[in-house]
Amino acid sequence: EVQLLESGGGLVQPGGSLRLSCAASGFTFTSNAMSWARQAPGKGLEWVSTISDSGGSTYYADSVRGRFSISRDNSKNTLYLQMSSLRAEDTAVYYCSKTTGTLEYWGQGTLVTVSS
Amino acid sequence: EIVMTQSPATLSVSPGERATLSCRASQGVSSNLAWYQHKPGQAPRLLIYGASIRATGIPARFSGSGSGTEFTLTISSLQSEDFAVYYCQQYNNWPSFTFGPGTKVDIK
Repeated sequence: EVQLLESGGGLVQPGGSLRLSCAASGFTFTSNAMSWARQAPGKGLEWVSTISDSGGSTYYADSVRGRFSISRDNSKNTLYLQMSSLRAEDTAVYYCSKTTGTLEYWGQGTLVTVSS
Repeated sequence: EIVMTQSPATLSVSPGERATLSCRASQGVSSNLAWYQHKPGQAPRLLIYGASIRATGIPARFSGSGSGTEFTLTISSLQSEDFAVYYCQQYNNWPSFTFGPGTKVDIK
């Protein structure tokens, strides 16, 4: 059974930084691209970033490019999202996803709140 | 950027009735279209990919159709567990995924 468990969310001030983690199990982590997506309060789903299976290629939505960095540790089956220069509009539940052609499986999410 | 639109925004349906949800892409996405179900506090769930292929474990009452710019998700006979928000998403420009704004299916 595919399991994705996000952690690292919390309250952070505008301009601050936060690192999210996603522990993966139940599938061959090293053979799959992984992604982060988010849902702001009262809004729809938004793709944030994707990383290839090897970690050699990364992709970002325009809204986070230059501020967020996706990475992975294939020895630990863990995905990361380093977020910096955070803004109020980054407040959202962040989900990690096993990514094939599309976002095949999702975790339960972790809440990030950017507020002073 | 490919913009996705969905209609209606809200669909009120009685249990056992049929629900038809629409999705439109601002440019052609071939059959690179997925549908997701999302309930509050839960992980989004992939229902359909390739416009018409049910994901693993998805009941047969869910079906998808369309290609190019016009797509439809049909739930043939709504069950109580089907009341949720449904999103379409294109992946033609992988991995620059874009989602529609969602259709909320609620109880009539």
